[in-house]
Order: sequence, then structure tokens, then C-alpha cells
Amino acid sequence: GIQVEQSPPDLILQEGANSTLRCNFSDSVNNLQWFHQNPWGQLINLFYIPSGTKQNGRLSATTVATERYSLLYISSSQTTDSGVYFCAVKNTGFQKLVFGTGTRLLVSP
Amino acid sequence: DAGVIQSPRHEVTEMGQEVTLRCKPISGHNSLFWYRQTMMRGLELLIYFNNNVPIDDSGMPEDRFSAKMPNASFSTLKIQPSEPRDSAVYFCASSSQTLLRDRGSEQYFGPGTRLTVT
Repeated sequence: GIQVEQSPPDLILQEGANSTLRCNFSDSVNNLQWFHQNPWGQLINLFYIPSGTKQNGRLSATTVATERYSLLYISSSQTTDSGVYFCAVKNTGFQKLVFGTGTRLLVSP
Repeated sequence: DAGVIQSPRHEVTEMGQEVTLRCKPISGHNSLFWYRQTMMRGLELLIYFNNNVPIDDSGMPEDRFSAKMPNASFSTLKIQPSEPRDSAVYFCASSSQTLLRDRGSEQYFGPGTRLTVT
């Protein structure tokens, strides 16, 4: 099946810093989503981005489907950005959403 | 929209007991997914339904696990009998997608049920 790799696995930032999270996938996809799992365990939808670029406030994401990767940018990080960021993809021809192992982010004041 | 609703939010039970988790998908969504999250295995898909029909249950770990979707607004995941290794957070998600045309669509997750089996 499709493989999803995220990097870095862990990231520690000072409040106000910028960061880039990466998601690599091993096959063509027709769905790619970025989620934030907050410290209370809730999975929050950030972006639905099988291709192209989107922005939402301090967050933006870019997916280059032909090169099989996606990037999540966090600018001016805040302590509330802490948590785990997951990339999940759905392979063309299949219905399963396959999750990466996540990037654990800690933003300190 | 209330989003995906799950109940209970927390469940503590003794080994051997039956556990039933409930999910109400977003109104109008025709696909429903049950996931399990553990530290060891991360997020894994257990089963998904399209138009109330189970499409893929290959992720269901054992015969002790069963899932039903009697109508478009309700689904249950049952574990009988429960074991300590079933302790995990169980998420339900829903989306609006067309199975045959193989188009991707965004999945929305419920708040999860944290299950502890002692």
C-alpha cells in the first residue's frame, strides 16, 4: 500500500518562529489532508489539498502531486500551535485515508 | 453544523464486558469511517461504510469487533468481549464521496471515544 512519511518527527520552537513540515508519499493520490491533533486529542482539519497551494491565516500548505510531497508552513508560531500534525492521503483507486506518523510540535513561550 | 458526534467520550470497562461506541455523521455525508489510535500503531482505519453498506472491514482486528450502520445518521462499533489491548481512542469520521467515480473528498473527524479496558 501507499507509504506516507513525515518529517521532522519532533520539533521545538520558540514562540514567533516559523517552521516547515514535510509529507512524502509513495504513490499518486486524489486526496491529501493536513490535521492538527491538539493536546486534548481532537483532530482538527487544517487543509484539504490534493494539489496546489492554500493559505489560512498563519498557516499555508503546498502539495506538488507530481513529485509526491506536501509542505505545511506555520508562521509566527504560538503556544496554541503545539500538538501533533498529521498528513493523510488517499490513493487513487482506493478509499482508505492513510496517515503518516505525524510531527510533534512544541511551541514554548 | 454540529460536526461528527460520538458517544460516550470516555468509557472505562472491565475485561470481558461488551462495549458499544456510537457515531452520528455530518448530515448529508454518505461515507462513514471508524479509526483507532494507539501509541504503538498510530491512526488505523478499522472499517468504512458508503451509503450505509460496509465497503472494507479489513482493518477490523478480530471477530470480537463488529460495526453496523442501520441508517444514514447512526453507526455503532461493538467490542465483545473487550480486552485490555483494546484500550485506545476510537474516532469516527464522515465524508461526502462518490465510490464509483473514485473522487477524493475531505474527511471530518469526531472528538473520539477514549476506551480503557482494565
